Amino acid sequence: GAVVSQHPSWVICKSGTSVKIECRSLDFQATTMFWYRQFPKQSLMLMATSNEGSKATYEQGVEKDKFLINHASLTLSTLTVTSAHPEDSSFYICSARDSKGRLGANVLTFGAGSRLTVL
Amino acid sequence: DAKTTQPTSMDCAEGRAANLPCNHSTISGNEYVYWYRQIHSQGPQYIIHGLKNNETNEMASLIITEDRKSSTLILPHATLRDTAVYYCIVRVATGANSKLTFGKGITLSVRP
Repeated sequence: GAVVSQHPSWVICKSGTSVKIECRSLDFQATTMFWYRQFPKQSLMLMATSNEGSKATYEQGVEKDKFLINHASLTLSTLTVTSAHPEDSSFYICSARDSKGRLGANVLTFGAGSRLTVL
Repeated sequence: DAKTTQPTSMDCAEGRAANLPCNHSTISGNEYVYWYRQIHSQGPQYIIHGLKNNETNEMASLIITEDRKSSTLILPHATLRDTAVYYCIVRVATGANSKLTFGKGITLSVRP
């Protein structure tokens, strides 16, 4: 089946540093990937849509200069949290849709998530 | 996207069927019903989806009412590992950039 790998699964960093999270589709190509953020006891909140070869589309209220997204290939999207602060501590989850639609209409495969803690 | 309404939580006994309801009274004709679940501290997992016919796969069954205003996800023999938050989402199937928006979902607790 379709697998999406996220790395790292957890990361601790100091305030002011930048952290990069990778999202890879392992056995399928994904022209579009999505990045979500989830705070404790809350639902997933869509941050941005990552498009291969073009600029990401950010949801309202999400700072594009703070959350840099790069989708350089059909199997890799990266999210960089720049100048991280404690309030950026969260669970970041990516998802991808099989470009050939083999999984079914609009079915997304999610990564296991990356837990970021900013000290 | 059509809005969905789910109870906040429910529980069931291990080995029994878990029936998770979802209301989507404003669903449009071209919108599908999707179910995902999220086990604690993991990414969401796709379960099943359907348009108007009932669907079944190795994980669950999806029963959609004839007027499509509500649906029920059925886990036929719930196990402790089925304890999770279950999300019912209504969305069109087409569109390369179509996105899934998650509500609060229903927390299912399976008790021994």
